[in-house]
Amino acid sequence: EVQVVESGGGLVQPGGSLRLSCAASGFTFTTYWMNWVRQAPGKGLEWVANINQDASARHFVDSVRGRFTISRDNAKNSVYLQMNSLRAEDTAMYYCARLTNSGLTDHWGQGTLVVVSS
Amino acid sequence: DTQMTQSPSTLSASVGDRVTITCRASQSISGELAWYQQKPGKAPKLLIYRASSLESGVPSRFSGSGSGTEFSLTISSLQPDDFATYYCQQYNSYPYTFGQGTKLEIK
Repeated sequence: EVQVVESGGGLVQPGGSLRLSCAASGFTFTTYWMNWVRQAPGKGLEWVANINQDASARHFVDSVRGRFTISRDNAKNSVYLQMNSLRAEDTAMYYCARLTNSGLTDHWGQGTLVVVSS
Repeated sequence: DTQMTQSPSTLSASVGDRVTITCRASQSISGELAWYQQKPGKAPKLLIYRASSLESGVPSRFSGSGSGTEFSLTISSLQPDDFATYYCQQYNSYPYTFGQGTKLEIK
């Protein structure tokens, strides 16, 4: 069974940093892209970033480019989202999700909540 | 960026009704469109991919259609479990973008 489990969310002050982790299991991790998607409270879904199988390609939404980085450790079947210079508008549930080679997001974790507030 | 516009934003319907949600892209997305269902406090669940392909395990009352810039999700006979929020997403070009969502409510 495909499983994706996020961790690392919490309360952080504006301007602070946080690192989210995502542990994957139940599939061959090294053959899939991985995604982060977020959802602000009561709002819709927003794609944030993704990374390819060997970390040679990464893409970001404009609103986080230069502040967030995405990485992966294939030995640990894990993907990470390093978030710096956090703003109130980054407050959201952050979902990690598997991405097929065609770009389809097919399996999602349950999310980890990030709250940026003083 | 490709903008995705869903309509309606809210839809009230009864068990057994046939309902359709539409999604319009601001440019051609070559059929690379997915539909997701999300229930409160839960992660989204994939229903349809490549505009009309049914994800494994999803009931056949769900169907997708469309091409170019106009797409739709149809539920042929609403069941109590179907009341949720539905999102379309294009994955043809970066940034991948979602529609704003359609909340399907019980009438």
